[in-house]
Amino acid sequence: DTAVSQTPKYLVTQMGNDKSIKCEQNLGHDTMYWYKQDSKKFLKIMFSYNNKELIINETVPNRFSPKSPDKAHLNLHINSLELGDSAVYFCASSQDWGERTDTQYFGPGTRLTVL
Amino acid sequence: GQNIDQPTEMTATEGAIVQINCTYQTSGFNGLFWYQQHAGEAPTFLSYNVLDGLEEKGRFSSFLSRSKGYSYLLLKELQMKDSASYLCAAADSNYQLIWGAGTKLIIKP
Repeated sequence: DTAVSQTPKYLVTQMGNDKSIKCEQNLGHDTMYWYKQDSKKFLKIMFSYNNKELIINETVPNRFSPKSPDKAHLNLHINSLELGDSAVYFCASSQDWGERTDTQYFGPGTRLTVL
Repeated sequence: GQNIDQPTEMTATEGAIVQINCTYQTSGFNGLFWYQQHAGEAPTFLSYNVLDGLEEKGRFSSFLSRSKGYSYLLLKELQMKDSASYLCAAADSNYQLIWGAGTKLIIKP
């Protein structure tokens, strides 16, 4: 069974379009994350949710909007896509938040290409 | 500010030993992670250190010195499949991970 899954794996779209990436974890974790990894391979935290509540919201354009319908799912919607949004987006989850350091488990990534 | 430094790229020979260093500066410290990331794949957990010293796990070992803000990952008996990027990440006072850019390890026969 896949612990953290994302769909789609690849996403190619035109500038200005709106797209969504879905993430699900079956680990029973309380915390989920979205990361962006650019061509220089830096992993940058974008958002984090704990029990469906937003706890980290880094400096990310408001074109990016996360949604957590339940604690096993964290989706990312991107409006008005720009060339600079091209990157690999990783979803991750961990057991808890704020009380101890927990290992994060990553999904397979979604490679977004904006043309 | 918070910062993680690790070499961009290293090359080693199959069967040899390689040490990948990481220095960190964080607001508070709650442990350090090493992750392995093969090209086109997700990062996968290798090790976690919160106390000073060496933790050994098979061919991989990780060391931490909190006073020096320093860690290293030691890979022994290198295999071709160890060719990957190795990411260092430190947890700050809020348990948020601060990530390095990763060290690309190239293994040559």
